[in-house]
Amino acid sequence: AQSVTQLDSQVPVFEEAPVELRCNYSSSVSVYLFWYVQYPNQGLQLLLKYLSGSTLVKGINGFEAEFNKSQTSFHLRKPSVHISDTAEYFCAVSGSNSGYALNFGKGTSLLVTP
Amino acid sequence: KAGVTQTPRYLIKTRGQQVTLSCSPISGHRSVSWYQQTPGQGLQFLFEYFSETQRNKGNFPGRFSGRQFSNSRSEMNVSTLELGDSALYLCASSPTAGVGETQYFGPGTRLLVL
Repeated sequence: AQSVTQLDSQVPVFEEAPVELRCNYSSSVSVYLFWYVQYPNQGLQLLLKYLSGSTLVKGINGFEAEFNKSQTSFHLRKPSVHISDTAEYFCAVSGSNSGYALNFGKGTSLLVTP
Repeated sequence: KAGVTQTPRYLIKTRGQQVTLSCSPISGHRSVSWYQQTPGQGLQFLFEYFSETQRNKGNFPGRFSGRQFSNSRSEMNVSTLELGDSALYLCASSPTAGVGETQYFGPGTRLLVL
């Protein structure tokens, strides 16, 4: 089965600074990778996903992620964060041997301060 | 289109009771998945239904069950509640749960077991 490790449980950053949220995955089969965001008291919203093709994926709200097969990573980046980006971010993986269910990482709490 | 709706949003039960949660997917979506979110275990896949059939099941005890109706609405049931069942239960829908398909999440039902 596939699994995901989010390397940072909390990431504090100042407003307008760049940020990178790290995600590593493990799988013996081809995988599909996702980043979701969860704002307080809400469900999850898809930021972006990688299925195949270009390894640089652009998502909503100015986020992007790069798929690196050799390093089994799918790190999320944003060049300049806003206060409103404060939320919990989840990396997830799915693959053919898990019935395409999403396996989530533990999440990274992004805290943006002025 | 209206998003995924879940009812009720909040629920308090006592140990030993049973509970039923409801999920209405986005119109036209035929796949519904359920996830449990807790601070300790994070987001864990419960099960997935497509066209009234359970296609995939996570590693949860038999006390957790679900079903899907012909209109794609889904319910999940937890019998003989335990304190550890306190969690946010998230429902997600997708058109067919095909490869790499985006799952759209509802706001969740927060269950507290006393």
